Amino acid sequence: EVQLVESGGGLVQPGGSLRLSCSASRFRFSSYWMTWVRQAPGKGLEWVANIKQDGREKYYVDSVKGRFTISRDNTKNSLYLQMNSLRGEDTAVYYCASWNGDYVAFDIWGQGTLVTVSS
Amino acid sequence: SYELTQPPSVSVSPGQTASITCSGDKLGDKYVCWYQQKPGQSPVLVIYQNNKRPSGIPERFSGSNSGNTATLTISGTQAMDEADYYCQAWDSSVAFGGGTKLTVL
Repeated sequence: EVQLVESGGGLVQPGGSLRLSCSASRFRFSSYWMTWVRQAPGKGLEWVANIKQDGREKYYVDSVKGRFTISRDNTKNSLYLQMNSLRGEDTAVYYCASWNGDYVAFDIWGQGTLVTVSS
Repeated sequence: SYELTQPPSVSVSPGQTASITCSGDKLGDKYVCWYQQKPGQSPVLVIYQNNKRPSGIPERFSGSNSGNTATLTISGTQAMDEADYYCQAWDSSVAFGGGTKLTVL
């Protein structure tokens, strides 16, 4: 079964840093744009960042620009999100998802990892 | 940024047809997809490219997109369809609608 598994979430103080990871299995990871999507408690889905197959193109939502960095390691079938200068409004479940260019949609999602920013 | 608007909630009786709308400027010119999310679970793609169903999605799920409005239709709604539904389109970046809570009662 195709699978994406996130890890690295937890409780962090405002201004702190956290690095999320997403591991892909039984999946042609290197062939897909990959994305981080977050969901604040009781709220809707928000696109955060995405990265091209070779890692050379990266895009971010305005609210995280300069604070978050998306990266990938195709040799390890892994996606990352380095989050710095965290704020309370970054509290959310963070999902990694693959972008299917044929579908023009996110067809595979991980189970999510919770990030809580609080003192 | 591109905005997609959904009604916060829709109610339907079991066996009836549920329609969830998603509105955006010239949305009919874009591909729209729909995700279903049940409590505590990850989103699941149920419709892509306006009206196509991924493998494993029941035939009762269908979609349309024209003008400024896309619609997700669930025919013969079942209790298991109770969930939050999100539309999504691509403009200069990914845009999600705010989500619609479907209640089956």
